[in-house]
Amino acid sequence: AQSVTQPDIHITVSEGASLELRCNYSYGATPYLFWYVQSPGQGLQLLLKYFSGDTLVQGIKGFEAEFKRSQSSFNLRKPSVHWSDAAEYFCAVATGGSYIPTFGRGTSLIVHP
Amino acid sequence: DVKVTQSSRYLVKRTGEKVFLECVQDMDHENMFWYRQDPGLGLRLIYFSYDVKMKEKGDIPEGYSVSREKKERFSLILESASTNQTSMYLCASSFGDRNNQPQHFGDGTRLSIL
Repeated sequence: AQSVTQPDIHITVSEGASLELRCNYSYGATPYLFWYVQSPGQGLQLLLKYFSGDTLVQGIKGFEAEFKRSQSSFNLRKPSVHWSDAAEYFCAVATGGSYIPTFGRGTSLIVHP
Repeated sequence: DVKVTQSSRYLVKRTGEKVFLECVQDMDHENMFWYRQDPGLGLRLIYFSYDVKMKEKGDIPEGYSVSREKKERFSLILESASTNQTSMYLCASSFGDRNNQPQHFGDGTRLSIL
């Protein structure tokens, strides 16, 4: 069975600083990978997804993520964080033929002015 | 844009009550899901449905049931609410005929059981 680990429960950055949120997965074949963001009091919104092809994927709100098979990782990055990026971020993995993703426990991003 | 609408943003009920949470999607998605979200535990799948009148148990189905009489609507039922069911409940939907399509989420229902 697939699993997802987000090692950081909380991350604090200053506005304007760069950001990297970590995600590691466990699955034998190439997984389908997603990053979602949840603003306070809201549902989850898809930021980006990786299915195949170019291992660097671009998403909405200026986010990108890089799939590294050798490290079983799919880390989310943003070059310059805005205060409005403060939210909970979830990594999710799905396997071929399954429409039920497994979610990580989330990383809470705190942005200092 | 896909719209997943949950009928209530906040709900307060009493122990032992039968509670209905409703979810409607407008994109003709085959798959629908109910999750609960608790601090530090992430999202846990309660039930999902891949077609009308079809349902499958997720990871934590105990104390819950679901109903899907129409394709666009998926209801979560707490048969006899208990305080440990106080939580945020999220509904999601996705296409069923294309593998691994992303899920689209509603804004959630924050349910308090007193």
